[in-house]
Amino acid sequence: GQNIDQPTEMTATEGAIVQINCTYQTSGFNGLFWYQQHAGEAPTFLSYNVLDGLEEKGRFSSFLSRSKGYSYLLLKELQMKDSASYLCACMDSNYQLIWGAGTKLIIKP
Amino acid sequence: NAGVTQTPKFQVLKTGQSMTLQCAQDMNHEYMSWYRQDPGMGLRLIHYSVGAGITDQGEVPNGYNVSRSTTEDFPLRLLSAAPSQTSVYFCASSYETGTANVLTFGAGSRLTVL
Repeated sequence: GQNIDQPTEMTATEGAIVQINCTYQTSGFNGLFWYQQHAGEAPTFLSYNVLDGLEEKGRFSSFLSRSKGYSYLLLKELQMKDSASYLCACMDSNYQLIWGAGTKLIIKP
Repeated sequence: NAGVTQTPKFQVLKTGQSMTLQCAQDMNHEYMSWYRQDPGMGLRLIHYSVGAGITDQGEVPNGYNVSRSTTEDFPLRLLSAAPSQTSVYFCASSYETGTANVLTFGAGSRLTVL
């Protein structure tokens, strides 16, 4: 079956760095997405990886290893506003998105 | 541009009642979809549409109907509400299907079925 695993909750300190991992097993692979979702709000797009390697976008970076079925989202210089859930989603061979349950990130001062 | 607009934001229903969740987008997106989000679970696809007049079932379609008479609108109908349909519903759209296609989500509709 298809499965996306990510930690349920993580805690980090303001100004620090945090890495949120995502492992996946899907029928085929057409890319991996990360979305951010603040409590009570809609998910918003953060990043997309389809090739192996690191994609950097400001304070956020996303890494993909297709051979290991693994991705991570790296958040640097954490700010209180980064407190949110981070959703990992894979696109399978039918171009359908399979979603992880999300990682709730708590930032402490 | 308003993006994706969902109404209502909150709704309480009694078991057996029917209702329609409205979704409209003004970005000329061909692809539209409905998801439900439940605690501890990933977003689950209910129905989707790749263009006006075309709809298809997602992962959890039972108890829901959709139609796509225009590019802009994609309403979700609950035929006979059940407590298991208590959830937060999101409408999402994108320019087309395929790789690297970023979804734009509506603000969500929180539905409680008593």
